[in-house]
Amino acid sequence: GAGVSQTPSNKVTEKGKYVELRCDPISGHTALYWYRQSLGQGPEFLIYFQGTGAADDSGLPNDRFFAVRPEGSVSTLKIQRTERGDSAVYLCASSFVLAAPYNEQFFGPGTRLTVL
Amino acid sequence: TQLLEQSPQFLSIQEGENLTVYCNSSSVFSSLQWYRQEPGEGPVLLVTVVTGGEVKKLKRLTFQFGDARKDSSLHITAAQPGDTGLYLCAGAIRNRDDKIIFGKGTRLHILP
Repeated sequence: GAGVSQTPSNKVTEKGKYVELRCDPISGHTALYWYRQSLGQGPEFLIYFQGTGAADDSGLPNDRFFAVRPEGSVSTLKIQRTERGDSAVYLCASSFVLAAPYNEQFFGPGTRLTVL
Repeated sequence: TQLLEQSPQFLSIQEGENLTVYCNSSSVFSSLQWYRQEPGEGPVLLVTVVTGGEVKKLKRLTFQFGDARKDSSLHITAAQPGDTGLYLCAGAIRNRDDKIIFGKGTRLHILP
């Protein structure tokens, strides 16, 4: 089937605004991950879900960031009171099972967020 | 603290040359992955290595996992312009619930 999709592909917003970024994982994948990638950097872990629950949210930088996955499929990353430092590409990945070491993650193309 | 160090950060070489990029850490990994990322796209998995000393080949790419499972290398033979991209290593760190940690990557540019 289709790969991981993310919408929107680009989002420009003003400082202080609220944004939502959506991720549609590969059908049947139980684990879902959010990463943030700044220019010249590798992806930085934010949060992952196993099913509907956040198994690890230790990468969320502060309480302005929140993510949900209410039905265990689509996930939304929510950022309140955006700041210019939030500008980055937000990547979503999914995998069939969580358990390492054969945990192949399939990435979406990302959402490029620009906060003016 | 950067748990995964990749070197070099940038590499520009002529088509047909060989190259090696490195991924190092002080932590032991239960597994290590190499990804390639092109502009505007997400990373794509190239290989996963699990066993210390393991060597895997993917056409002109050779991946090696260190004996102590703290480091890895990627060797490309006879580089082609199509190899251009950002190469990322990512490790699942033992004793950290196998969370995947990415390095900053090596940006490779192959000149035709």
